[in-house]
Amino acid sequence: DAKTTQPTSMDCAEGRAANLPCNHSTISGNEYVYWYRQIHSQGPQYIIHGLKNNETNEMASLIITEDRKSSTLILPHATLRDTAVYYCIVRERGYINAGKSTFGDGTTLTVKP
Amino acid sequence: DVKVTQSSRYLVKRTGEKVFLECVQDMDHENMFWYRQDPGLGLRLIYFSYDVKMKEKGDIPEGYSVSREKKERFSLILESASTNQTSMYLCASSPGTGVYGYTFGSGTRLTVV
Repeated sequence: DAKTTQPTSMDCAEGRAANLPCNHSTISGNEYVYWYRQIHSQGPQYIIHGLKNNETNEMASLIITEDRKSSTLILPHATLRDTAVYYCIVRERGYINAGKSTFGDGTTLTVKP
Repeated sequence: DVKVTQSSRYLVKRTGEKVFLECVQDMDHENMFWYRQDPGLGLRLIYFSYDVKMKEKGDIPEGYSVSREKKERFSLILESASTNQTSMYLCASSPGTGVYGYTFGSGTRLTVV
């Protein structure tokens, strides 16, 4: 699986959009981009995933560049409860290798009042 | 609501003890995973399984073994616990094919004294 690079930490004002970047320059054509977040003392929670088109759900939006070498997770109106560690991973679609992905250190997002 | 359940939230064991960490999922997922999480090191994959009685080593399998006798249950075994195995242990599952994400358990914080 391709590796990802994320900033160590970011701050965001409550009510503003939080934009979390991720670089995955070695991503291959059949690898998807996934985002998870982990609130202190809990297991990571799935947020969103995409292949090459932008995606949106009730939690967030995912913007993937045309060359697929980077992506941005957008929390449109950050709240204090969005303070967490955010992980960007890439993962192949397939049977044998279905799911073995590496989680790096992620980005610690702190939403401030 | 679908779930991954880890048997213990907190566990304290003595050095040299044999320790069993249990994980059960109710989603009929083919894949199951064990990670450990340590400050500054992110999530590291210990073992995973893509079918009953099948297992694959992850990045840090030394000192651990696993058992998957039933599809819904994946056990992590510390044959002889050591203090450097003090950590947060996270279990996850995912379907075998397609683009689905992981579902994580809440974690077991193991302290070896």
